[in-house]
Amino acid sequence: AQSVSQHNHHVILSEAASLELGCNYSYGGTVNLFWYVQYPGQHLQLLLKYFSGDPLVKGIKGFEAEFIKSKFSFNLRKPSVQWSDTAEYFCAVNTRDAGKSTFGDGTTLTVKP
Amino acid sequence: EAQVTQNPRYLITVTGKKLTVTCSQNMNHEYMSWYRQDPGLGLRQIYYSMNVEVTDKGDVPEGYKVSRKEKRNFPLILESPSPNQTSLYFCASSRLPGLAGANSYNEQFFGPGTRLTVL
Repeated sequence: AQSVSQHNHHVILSEAASLELGCNYSYGGTVNLFWYVQYPGQHLQLLLKYFSGDPLVKGIKGFEAEFIKSKFSFNLRKPSVQWSDTAEYFCAVNTRDAGKSTFGDGTTLTVKP
Repeated sequence: EAQVTQNPRYLITVTGKKLTVTCSQNMNHEYMSWYRQDPGLGLRQIYYSMNVEVTDKGDVPEGYKVSRKEKRNFPLILESPSPNQTSLYFCASSRLPGLAGANSYNEQFFGPGTRLTVL
């Protein structure tokens, strides 16, 4: 069975600090990888995705993530966070050959102004 | 406007009273899915559907039913709700995962959520 593990449950940063959120998955087959963001009171929105090609992918609002196949990791990064980045972040895996979709438990990011 | 809609957005009910949460998408997506979101547990998949009349269990299907009679609709049915089904529910849709070729990807589009309380 596939699983997704997010290492940090709650991260608190000051504005302009750098961010890295860890995500590891376990699955033996080919996967698509995603980071979604949920701003307070809103539904989930796609931040970025990886399905093939360059393992360093760039998303919206200055976020990027790197897929390291050997480590089964897909960590999210941002060089300088803003107060408006306060939200919950979810790493997700979809299998290529089936419909199963697995999300991590989520990481709550609080950015202090 | 491309969107996923859910109704109702908020629902308070009592144990054992059957209810249906509707989900509809206007993007002609083959794939639809239901999730529940609980504090500290993230999103957990309840059921998914890869096309009309094709449904399958996710990680937490107990106590739920779904149907996919039309491509655009994917209702979630709770035949006999219990308090442990109090949660925030999200419906999502996407292109069909796993299509051949490197361009296959399946970003999910989420509905606004339904907050269900079962007393």
